[in-house]
Amino acid sequence: EPEVTQTPSHQVTQMGQEVILRCVPISNHLYFYWYRQILGQKVEFLVSFYNNEISEKSEIFDDQFSVERPDGSNFTLKIRSTKLEDSAMYFCASSARRDRSNQPQHFGDGTRLSIL
Amino acid sequence: AQKVTQAQTEISVVEKEDVTLDCVYETRDTTYYLFWYKQPPSGELVFLIRRNSFDEQNEISGRYSWNFQKSTSSFNFTITASQVVDSAVYFCALSGPRYNRDAGNMLTFGGGTRLMVKP
Repeated sequence: EPEVTQTPSHQVTQMGQEVILRCVPISNHLYFYWYRQILGQKVEFLVSFYNNEISEKSEIFDDQFSVERPDGSNFTLKIRSTKLEDSAMYFCASSARRDRSNQPQHFGDGTRLSIL
Repeated sequence: AQKVTQAQTEISVVEKEDVTLDCVYETRDTTYYLFWYKQPPSGELVFLIRRNSFDEQNEISGRYSWNFQKSTSSFNFTITASQVVDSAVYFCALSGPRYNRDAGNMLTFGGGTRLMVKP
């Protein structure tokens, strides 16, 4: 069964450094998402992306964050200058396109980001 | 604004017991979608079920069943004859209607219920 893949599985970065988290969504999916989960807490929406544009973003997704689909397969989340509070599990998800119905989002295994 | 509440933060049962995980939601949308995801100890999020607001039929899939009651804004999940492999955190989630084809739709998650099934 096709799946969303994320790399790396664990990223350790010094505070203030830039980090790029990578995702390969399911190949025929058109909607892409990033979520984060701080340890022991709920999963929080960051951003959704369609047709090379951000379609929705949360308050968490400030100017330090950006997303990109640099080619036909990858979907990346960049954090420009990491802070300690960015430490979390970051999940990428994708969903198929249907007429007006919300197809389920399928999640990758996550990237655990640790900021030192 | 949308909100999902999973009042049970942790449940512990003995194998073969039945267990129900509660989910209550709030939304102003008349069309919406409800989901359950499982997060095993390995950390990934596994999709279990999607239900739209027009479909109040209960669903059964093997040992899993879901009870959607619009009148009480609840979408509860029951595991029958629980097994140790069911031990995980279970998340209920909600999304609104997609107003146009070009928009994806964010999921609002509840806080999760940690289910521990002991042998």
